[in-house]
Amino acid sequence: AQKVTQAQTEISVVEKEDVTLDCVYETRDTTYYLFWYKQPPSGELVFLIRRNSFDEQNEISGRYSWNFQKSTSSFNFTITASQVVDSAVYFCALSEPLGANNLFFGTGTRLTVIP
Amino acid sequence: GAVVSQHPSWVICKSGTSVKIECRSLDFQATTMFWYRQFPKQSLMLMATSNEGSKATYEQGVEKDKFLINHASLTLSTLTVTSAHPEDSSFYICSAGGGLNEQFFGPGTRLTVL
Repeated sequence: AQKVTQAQTEISVVEKEDVTLDCVYETRDTTYYLFWYKQPPSGELVFLIRRNSFDEQNEISGRYSWNFQKSTSSFNFTITASQVVDSAVYFCALSEPLGANNLFFGTGTRLTVIP
Repeated sequence: GAVVSQHPSWVICKSGTSVKIECRSLDFQATTMFWYRQFPKQSLMLMATSNEGSKATYEQGVEKDKFLINHASLTLSTLTVTSAHPEDSSFYICSAGGGLNEQFFGPGTRLTVL
């Protein structure tokens, strides 16, 4: 069965600090996709990244970076030099098998960046 | 590209009335659309998968007679909450399926039932 665990319910950091959001997943499939979404107070989900199970290369996009470790079934998300605008709920999600389009969301991590 | 709209963005209704929420893919055709419900400070829970031209597939525990889904065209899916009650108050989010297991999300509809 598919499962996504985000153990950190809430995190508070001071502006300019780095913060890592953890995501651990469970799946029986060898082919799957992992996602991160940001949900600001407005409620609209903002797509951040999609990673397929065959690509373990870490990715960096500006202040955002993702660490995919297949050996530990983790897909962690790091924000460098956090800003107040980063305050939101962040969801990790899993999709499988290929083509099914079903997304399984974690419970989310609420990040608060304090000015 | 890949824009999904929802209407209305918020609605307040009296208990016992029905409410229809529209989900449109504005610049692409979506064979599959999804409906999620999100209670305050909780995650998104998939309610049903809507396929154009066929009946929706409901997740376990979701009443199909209460949450009517219609996907009559490749750009429009509707969710009707029938005989709404206060416990149906929630944030309803739709998404449209894209390639490579991607989903494009609408901005959500906040339903408050008095």
